[in-house]
Amino acid sequence: DSGVTQTPKHLITATGQRVTLRCSPRSGDLSVYWYQQSLDQGLQFLIQYYNGEERAKGNILERFSAQQFPDLHSELNLSSLELGDSALYFCASSVDRPGRGYTFGSGTRLTVV
Amino acid sequence: QQPVQSPQAVILREGEDAVINCSSSKALYSVHWYRQKHGEAPVFLMILLKGGEQKGHEKISASFNEKKQQSSLYLTASQLSYSGTYFCGTERGDYGQNFVFGPGTRLSVLP
Repeated sequence: DSGVTQTPKHLITATGQRVTLRCSPRSGDLSVYWYQQSLDQGLQFLIQYYNGEERAKGNILERFSAQQFPDLHSELNLSSLELGDSALYFCASSVDRPGRGYTFGSGTRLTVV
Repeated sequence: QQPVQSPQAVILREGEDAVINCSSSKALYSVHWYRQKHGEAPVFLMILLKGGEQKGHEKISASFNEKKQQSSLYLTASQLSYSGTYFCGTERGDYGQNFVFGPGTRLSVLP
């Protein structure tokens, strides 16, 4: 157990639908990052939150949005889903100090049918 | 800007050594290394800060050449458990600015 909790582990939904992925960071970590990983591909950075505020944005589609709540958990909302959105979505957290790495959750596997 | 990793893939026999390289065209503050097994989450291995330090983790070590903006991951006497995809990640600031993962190097260790 890495300490980063992601739910659900698996999600199957139809095109056009909307889903919410949830992430609870490791205790003490203020930063949360969302990554998308398509089949056998690299890790595409979507967005970062730090202590409730958006800090950095990557290649996140307009159909996707995220937020970090006061208790530091984060949600990634994916809407108007397309087949190409099928992927593993990882959340990672860090204490956001120099010299510290990221701790990843086990991911949510999203399948759009 | 995404760092470049080489090689893209490597196949080893147990006990052999391997080197994976990660380079950037930008000045770097630090380089991270992660290993991801198929279908699992990436796992943090180590981080190297500018200053050219070398770090070790069991039989896996890494170096960071600040002048060349290049890091190398050394796997010695490889074990079956070392199989997976290795990603480097580069930071250009001391608080994670412009952190980007490389495309990954797929390592397969055969018995």
